[in-house]
Amino acid sequence: DTEVTQTPKHLVMGMTNKKSLKCEQHMGHRAMYWYKQKAKKPPELMFVYSYEKLSINESVPSRFSPECPNSSLLNLHLHALQPEDSALYLCASSQGPIVDTEAFFGQGTRLTVV
Amino acid sequence: QQQVKQSPQSLIVQKGGISIINCAYENTAFDYFPWYQQFPGKGPALLIAIRPDVSEKKEGRFTISFNKSAKQFSLHIMDSQPGDSATYFCAAALNSGYALNFGKGTSLLVTP
Repeated sequence: DTEVTQTPKHLVMGMTNKKSLKCEQHMGHRAMYWYKQKAKKPPELMFVYSYEKLSINESVPSRFSPECPNSSLLNLHLHALQPEDSALYLCASSQGPIVDTEAFFGQGTRLTVV
Repeated sequence: QQQVKQSPQSLIVQKGGISIINCAYENTAFDYFPWYQQFPGKGPALLIAIRPDVSEKKEGRFTISFNKSAKQFSLHIMDSQPGDSATYFCAAALNSGYALNFGKGTSLLVTP
């Protein structure tokens, strides 16, 4: 199983809503990532969890709150988002540092903030 | 600041032709150079990757050429097929790092 599963696939939320994106992998990977991708742009790294600890936060606004409940799950909690936050949110995982192991991406959650 | 510069932004190739995408980087500490392929509505998928101690790597129809002195690397797709139509991203990463620094992407269209 080389799959990273993200739910939901699509999400529309208002600016006052609270929602969560979920990501799951069962490959035994110890690093998990959140990326944001705008249309026709490359993925931008948001957060990295290594061994369930937050190791990289790329200066992401606090309205995005990551959580890693266990080694297989990664959540992204959303609150008071802005329309410019509308994007494809990608989860990825790898066994270890990216230079040593392949990063597998999920299909993403298409988020629209209205 | 874009750490990896990719060109062209878009590319149209006839079936059977060679598709060539180029990338350049500045940080000589980068130690890993992957190429990702992304189809619409899907996440990126690793296509092929190279380390700077190798000048060329080939996997099937896909070849990476790496020029360490020029700080450039490129992807060649031989015998391009319509199914290769996708967006291709080059990237670079530091040794033992977790962050992928992506290029801006190349939208490839292979016409029948």
